[in-house]
Amino acid sequence: NAGVMQNPRHLVRRRGQEARLRCSPMKGHSHVYWYRQLPEEGLKFMVYLQKENIIDESGMPKERFSAEFPKEGPSILRIQQVVRGDSAAYFCASSPLAGGPREQYFGPGTRLTVT
Amino acid sequence: GQQVMQIPQYQHVQEGEDFTTYCNSSTTLSNIQWYKQRPGGHPVFLIQLVKSGEVKKQKRLTFQFGEAKKNSSLHITATQTTDVGTYFCAGEGGETSGSRLTFGEGTQLTVNP
Repeated sequence: NAGVMQNPRHLVRRRGQEARLRCSPMKGHSHVYWYRQLPEEGLKFMVYLQKENIIDESGMPKERFSAEFPKEGPSILRIQQVVRGDSAAYFCASSPLAGGPREQYFGPGTRLTVT
Repeated sequence: GQQVMQIPQYQHVQEGEDFTTYCNSSTTLSNIQWYKQRPGGHPVFLIQLVKSGEVKKQKRLTFQFGEAKKNSSLHITATQTTDVGTYFCAGEGGETSGSRLTFGEGTQLTVNP
């Protein structure tokens, strides 16, 4: 059973370009979470999605950031007009559908560098 | 909003010494989870605590959940170099489980051989 997949692993963008990060959850998992981590810091929640639904986007910046989890295909975190402050590691995690407390399985992350 | 605080931020120990990290939430939690992140790696789930006062052990690791379900600790006995990494607690708040996790800032552990 493949784990959570993220690509690309490393992404370099110039200021003003768009960054598109992809996440494929573990097989059978229908909940996806995106986190941002700056060097030497903790994980900051960004958004929680289920298939075709955004459940909680309270951690997402209001501008330039968007996320989706379509019926088919991976979840996508899109950052438009990137700025240097967007440089960070972006982790995706997934959890299973079953009710009750659910641990999260993290992908390897995408390290975004904005030059 | 919910806040999860973790101390200490850094801990340096000699191999063989014990290590403890503490986690405190500003609100009552439905459950708390612990994760470990190796340098350059991604967080890996360690354990989940749900019940008030719960204690769980994994070999040299002991996890506790406070009676009020607002604090937790992770204790490592006789550290080894393989224990190096950052340990995060993450709380799931309120009455409804399945909501977002709030991560602490983590405790970065280094072990000198």
